[in-house]
Amino acid sequence: ETGVTQSPTHLIKTRGQQVTLRCSSQSGHNTVSWYQQALGQGPQFIFQYYREEENGRGNFPPRFSGLQFPNYSSELNVNALELDDSALYLCASSLRTSGYNEQFFGPGTRLTVL
Amino acid sequence: QQQVKQSPQSLIVQKGGIPIINCAYENTAFDYFPWYQQFPGKGPALLIAIRPDVSEKKEGRFTISFNKSAKQFSLHIMDSQPGDSATYFCAASIPDKLIFGTGTRLQVFP
Repeated sequence: ETGVTQSPTHLIKTRGQQVTLRCSSQSGHNTVSWYQQALGQGPQFIFQYYREEENGRGNFPPRFSGLQFPNYSSELNVNALELDDSALYLCASSLRTSGYNEQFFGPGTRLTVL
Repeated sequence: QQQVKQSPQSLIVQKGGIPIINCAYENTAFDYFPWYQQFPGKGPALLIAIRPDVSEKKEGRFTISFNKSAKQFSLHIMDSQPGDSATYFCAASIPDKLIFGTGTRLQVFP
């Protein structure tokens, strides 16, 4: 069984640029959620994708967008980067069933905005 | 109302001690309460989780106590080891969206 993988591991961008982060879900999982974790804070929910559609969104502006592909992998896109976007971006995958769906996290992508 | 409040912010214990981390919530719609362990440079790893209709759950050295009426839950780590040194996050699910606490940095000294 393959766990959740994310790429790249680290990324440095300048203010105003755009960035794309990638996530491969755990084998057998069909749902991907993205979280932003600022230094010293708990992860904050950005959005979730199920069946290639956004399925719930946290308190993040529209310049945060995403995609889910037929193989359940996902991308997080952030436009017009701001200094406060510097954080660890975490992807979590789960298998949607009728009950609670445990989420398994990847190692994250560390984004630094200068 | 969707906040999860976690305390303490940091905790130092000696090997063999029993650190306790507490969390509180307001929203009664939360339906699942997981705890995650995170080491520096890594993503959070699921440690143990509980549903609100259960008052206690034990897995190995980790125990969750859940008080539904008080809207509080806590993590106990029995016989703590230096390898348990990490940041611990409580969370609450509404549904499939996890709301995390602010984290507790635990240090276990030999």
